[in-house]
Amino acid sequence: GENVEQHPSTLSVQEGDSAVIKCTYSDSASNYFPWYKQELGKGPQLIIDIRSNVGEKKDQRIAVTLNKTAKHFSLHITETQPEDSAVYFCAASSYGANSKLTFGKGITLSVRP
Amino acid sequence: ETGVTQTPRHLVMGMTNKKSLKCEQHLGHNAMYWYKQSAKKPLELMFVYNFKEQTENNSVPSRFSPECPNSSHLFLHLHTLQPEDSALYLCASSQEVGTGIPFFGSGTQLSVL
Repeated sequence: GENVEQHPSTLSVQEGDSAVIKCTYSDSASNYFPWYKQELGKGPQLIIDIRSNVGEKKDQRIAVTLNKTAKHFSLHITETQPEDSAVYFCAASSYGANSKLTFGKGITLSVRP
Repeated sequence: ETGVTQTPRHLVMGMTNKKSLKCEQHLGHNAMYWYKQSAKKPLELMFVYNFKEQTENNSVPSRFSPECPNSSHLFLHLHTLQPEDSALYLCASSQEVGTGIPFFGSGTQLSVL
C-alpha cells in the first residue's frame, strides 16, 4: 500500500519568511495529492491540492509542487503570518472508485511574530 | 448548519460505559468516514460508508461499532473501551468513495479513564 512521509516534524519561521513542507510517497500509481491544515480544536481543512498531470499549482500565498519522478511534493507558503501556525498534513491517493487517501504524520508550523 | 457537524465535542468515559458519537453532513455527499487521530501518528481510517453501505473496515476492534442510517448521518457506538482508545475521532464526508475530496468535521476528543 501507499506510504507517505513528511519532513520535518516541526518547523518554525519568522513572520514574513517563507515556509516549505516536504512529503514523499511510495506508490507510483498515486495521482492526487491534497494538503490539509488543522488548527487547534478543529478538524483538518483542505487548503490546496494537485493532480499528477500538473507540476505546480498556486493559490495566493500558497503553492504546491509535484515531482513524479522523485515521488515527492511540497507545500510552499510565502509571506507567512501568525495565523498560518497550525498542523499541516499531506496525503496521497489514486483517483478512482477503490482509492484510499493515505496521510502523512503532519508537521507543526509555528510562525514567530 | 453547513459542512460536517460532530457531537459531542468532548467526551470522557469509563471503560465500562457505552456512548455514541454522532456525525451529520449537510453537503449532499454520499460517502462518510470515521478516522482516528492520535498524537504523532498519521490519520487512521477506521470505517467507510458509501450510499449507506459499509465498504471498508480497517481491522477495527469490535468495541467500535459504526452505524449509517442514511447518507447524511453516521454514528460510532463505543463500549468497553480501553485507555489507548483515547484520541480525536474525526468524521468526514465526500461526494463518493474514491472520487471525492474528504471534508472533515471538528472531531470528538475522547478520553477513556
